[in-house]
Amino acid sequence: NAGVTQTPKFQVLKTGQSMTLQCAQDMNHEYMSWYRQDPGMGLRLIHYSVGAGITDQGEVPNGYNVSRSTTEDFPLRLLSAAPSQTSVYFCASSYGQKQYFGPGTRLTVT
Amino acid sequence: ILNVEQSPQSLHVQEGDSTNFTCSFPSSNFYALHWYRWETAKSPEALFVMTLNGDEKKKGRISATLNTKEGYSYLYIKGSQPEDSATYLCAPGGDSWGKLQFGAGTQVVVTP
Repeated sequence: NAGVTQTPKFQVLKTGQSMTLQCAQDMNHEYMSWYRQDPGMGLRLIHYSVGAGITDQGEVPNGYNVSRSTTEDFPLRLLSAAPSQTSVYFCASSYGQKQYFGPGTRLTVT
Repeated sequence: ILNVEQSPQSLHVQEGDSTNFTCSFPSSNFYALHWYRWETAKSPEALFVMTLNGDEKKKGRISATLNTKEGYSYLYIKGSQPEDSATYLCAPGGDSWGKLQFGAGTQVVVTP
């Protein structure tokens, strides 16, 4: 099993550009989530999904969209990147309570 | 949004010493409390999921206790080793799906 995979590992965007961060898991987990990690703030939940076709907002959803068309994939879309979205993004999937994290995507918006 | 506090923010420990640190969270509507270990340049990894008041969990030299009535959990590292250097995150879980809210973490640095 590959576990949770994320692409790309690094990305630099200009303000106003859009992009999609990819997340996939091969563990057949129903629950998936996206977090951002900023210095001194731990991990903050952006969006989550409890199954294909079902998504909901987390703590900091503004500026991000998600969709869940399959159990395996949970992409995160930045519609119009802003410098405040410079962060490290982690995708996670969970079985029961335990969450499994991907390797992260480091995004810089200039 | 829950108020999750971890203290201290960071601590330095000599190899061989034991240490502990705290996670505080609202005691109402408690479902579960998670501890994660996060090494630099890696992804967070689950250490413990605790659900019952008085719960104690142990994994090697690391253990944790839970008090749901007063809203805190302690994580202990016995005989710290350099490989224990990491940021330790706690997160109360609000539902059975594991929707978590993370604290800012306690960074532990173990020096030889």
